[in-house]
Amino acid sequence: GNSVTQMEGPVTLSEEAFLTINCTYTATGYPSLFWYVQYPGEGLQLLLKATKADDKGSNKGFEATYRKETTSFHLEKGSVQVSDSAVYFCALNRDDKIIFGKGTRLHILP
Amino acid sequence: DTAVSQTPKYLVTQMGNDKSIKCEQNLGHDTMYWYKQDSKKFLKIMFSYNNKELIINETVPNRFSPKSPDKAHLNLHINSLELGDSAVYFCASSFSGRPRGEQYFGPGTRLTVT
Repeated sequence: GNSVTQMEGPVTLSEEAFLTINCTYTATGYPSLFWYVQYPGEGLQLLLKATKADDKGSNKGFEATYRKETTSFHLEKGSVQVSDSAVYFCALNRDDKIIFGKGTRLHILP
Repeated sequence: DTAVSQTPKYLVTQMGNDKSIKCEQNLGHDTMYWYKQDSKKFLKIMFSYNNKELIINETVPNRFSPKSPDKAHLNLHINSLELGDSAVYFCASSFSGRPRGEQYFGPGTRLTVT
């Protein structure tokens, strides 16, 4: 079946460090891939998306590239800020259903 | 001008009670969803409605009953509440036809059953 696996957190980094959150997926066909972010006490917000192989989604300094050969969609940011502290969810859409990963909590220390 | 709103934001109630959560979206979307997020932040879809019609009904106890009076509203009624129902419930909406992963979420309703 379709599934999303992302690295377990929490991930703790210092401000200005490089961030990678790994995400791999299992799906039939070609799903759309997404990263959502949930700030404390809020609902999820779409951070970025990619709809086909080799697409790169980007927003707010975050990037992720749809890699069909490795079935991955890793989230990266070159220099994180304290305000990036949140829970990040990788997700895929297939057959009109969205499937979320379990979320990765990110703590950024000043 | 809130896009997806939910009421109430917090709900504390006792086991066995019946409660409702309301959701409204002003984005003109035609599809709405209910999700449950547990204490470990795991997010699971419960229901989805498209143009007031139920299209996704995951394995959810039948104590949970969604109702969509129109495209802009999706309410969730829960009968005979149990301790395990304690969670944060999120409403979301989207356009059909777009990749349905592009969903807009409400702020959540934190339900605590004592």
